Amino acid sequence: GAGVSQTPSNKVTEKGKYVELRCDPISGHTALYWYRQSLGQGPEFLIYFQGTGAADDSGLPNDRFFAVRPEGSVSTLKIQRTERGDSAVYLCASSAGAGETQYFGPGTRLLVL
Amino acid sequence: AQSVTQPDIHITVSEGASLELRCNYSYGATPYLFWYVQSPGQGLQLLLKYFSGDTLVQGIKGFEAEFKRSQSSFNLRKPSVHWSDAAEYFCAVLTYNTDKLIFGTGTRLQVFP
Repeated sequence: GAGVSQTPSNKVTEKGKYVELRCDPISGHTALYWYRQSLGQGPEFLIYFQGTGAADDSGLPNDRFFAVRPEGSVSTLKIQRTERGDSAVYLCASSAGAGETQYFGPGTRLLVL
Repeated sequence: AQSVTQPDIHITVSEGASLELRCNYSYGATPYLFWYVQSPGQGLQLLLKYFSGDTLVQGIKGFEAEFKRSQSSFNLRKPSVHWSDAAEYFCAVLTYNTDKLIFGTGTRLQVFP
């Protein structure tokens, strides 16, 4: 069966531009998570969706970051006015529900020049 | 606050040697614990998990881990390492009141022939 997929796999943008990162979860998984992994670090939590609603967005670093999941499946992470410090690998995960194992996608590597 | 510590940033072993990767956690209740592996340019793959019950858990690729409540540890072990085990290993705790994973900083494993 298909796992979590993320597009694009790599994204290069210029400082100040807007970017969108997409995540397709495992079919039937109700929970979806976004994490950010900086070089040499472990992943850090950004936001968690249960269905269509954001159950916990406490990890979003500031109001330039926003995520949606309008139909309870695919999610898009949106970053406005990108900064060089936003360069990282953005990982998406999904699970069958709260407390269940999270399965990760391959990530999107974002480079802000 | 919940946290995960992986004291070893980098470990080098010879192929065929035994392996133990250390993980200590700080969490106020019985934790859900995970080990993930990340190969270069890849997403995170689940090796094993502990939710409850038997404190020695078996995972994929011949890995096992033991939960020791008294030491707040969840160390990963493998009796005989293969060259293909070279990767970055992350320990994580699930905060089930908020359903987000908290990761350690990772241990990079290098395997010499």
